[in-house]
Amino acid sequence: AQTVTQSQPEMSVQEAETVTLSCTYDTSESDYYLFWYKQPPSRQMILVIRQEAYKQQNATENRFSVNFQKAAKSFSLKISDSQLGDAAMYFCAYRNEANQAGTALIFGKGTTLSVSS
Amino acid sequence: KAGVTQTPRYLIKTRGQQVTLSCSPISGHRSVSWYQQTPGQGLQFLFEYFSETQRNKGNFPGRFSGRQFSNSRSEMNVSTLELGDSALYLCASSLLADSYNEQFFGPGTRLTVL
Repeated sequence: AQTVTQSQPEMSVQEAETVTLSCTYDTSESDYYLFWYKQPPSRQMILVIRQEAYKQQNATENRFSVNFQKAAKSFSLKISDSQLGDAAMYFCAYRNEANQAGTALIFGKGTTLSVSS
Repeated sequence: KAGVTQTPRYLIKTRGQQVTLSCSPISGHRSVSWYQQTPGQGLQFLFEYFSETQRNKGNFPGRFSGRQFSNSRSEMNVSTLELGDSALYLCASSLLADSYNEQFFGPGTRLTVL
């Protein structure tokens, strides 16, 4: 079974600084998708960034970028120029390529990010 | 386009009761998934439905059930509630039942079991 591990329960960063959140996963599949979701205090889960395993190029979305190391099964999220609005819980998630078993997201335990001014 | 809506937003029940939660996906979306979020277990997958068929089920007891209607709206039911069922229940919809399409989450239903 696939698993996702986030080893940092809490992280903190100052405004305008850069922070990296870690995520490792375990799978025997070769085709899959990886995601970072943000969950602010409102509890609304928002997709931050996604990475297809077949793509070697790391995904980037504005201030958010990932470092995807497929062989090491590592998928870290870098937030540049941190803003107060980035404060939230961040979840790393894995999803198999669609098959008969469905497309369930498997989540890590989350990292709570606090941003100070 | 309206987002995923979940009703009710908050619910308080007592042990032994049953509860039904509702999820209306984004218009045009045909796949609905349900997740349970607790402080101890984190986010865990409950079910996935596509075109009224359950495609996948997580590791939850039979007290947890669900269904999807022809308009893609979905309900989940928990019977004989236990204290441990207290959680945030999240619904997510996507256009199709494939891994490429993004899952859009609703605001959740906060269930408290006393």
